Amino acid sequence: EAGVAQSPRYKIIEKRQSVAFWCNPISGHATLYWYQQILGQGPKLLIQFQNNGVVDDSQLPKDRFSAERLKGVDSTLKIQPAKLEDSAVYLCASSLVPAVIMNTEAFFGQGTRLTVV
Amino acid sequence: SQQGEEDPQALSIQEGENATMNCSYKTSINNLQWYRQNSGRGLVHLILIRSNEREKHSGRLRVTLDTSKKSSSLLITASRAADTASYFCATEQYINNDMRFGAGTRLTVKP
Repeated sequence: EAGVAQSPRYKIIEKRQSVAFWCNPISGHATLYWYQQILGQGPKLLIQFQNNGVVDDSQLPKDRFSAERLKGVDSTLKIQPAKLEDSAVYLCASSLVPAVIMNTEAFFGQGTRLTVV
Repeated sequence: SQQGEEDPQALSIQEGENATMNCSYKTSINNLQWYRQNSGRGLVHLILIRSNEREKHSGRLRVTLDTSKKSSSLLITASRAADTASYFCATEQYINNDMRFGAGTRLTVKP
């Protein structure tokens, strides 16, 4: 079974530039998460999708961050314009359904390491 | 905001010893999960415990959950150098099923 695919693996941009990350979840997984992990900290949930609907985006800085999940499969996360404090690893994860329905785990991709200079 | 808080932030032990990490959380949950993250890698799921369960085992892992105290513990027995990693608890919120992580415990197991 293929895992969660993310691209690119690394990205360096200047502040005020734009950047986009892509995530392809495990086939058939309805739930998709985007997390931001700053060095030395735990992952912070940015947005959670159930199919192509948003479950929670309360921690997404909507003035600069946007995310979409077209057709309930692939997802993109965009930052426009980037700030220095956006330097972090952006993790995508997927699960079959929310764990409250079944004992399902979330599977994580390797992440995209973003450096804003 | 983060949901869970792990304690301690860092733990260093000798190979063969047991490691205990604690997690406290704030709101009602459906379940609590523990994940491991090796340096520079993605997170790997270790174990899930539902809100109506009190203890669960998986190999050398033992997880307890006390919903009255809003806390959980992860015990790794007979630790190995390969257990060196950061360990995170994640809670699935009752209100909307979203999954939030704590700040993690960095475990170092010395050979």
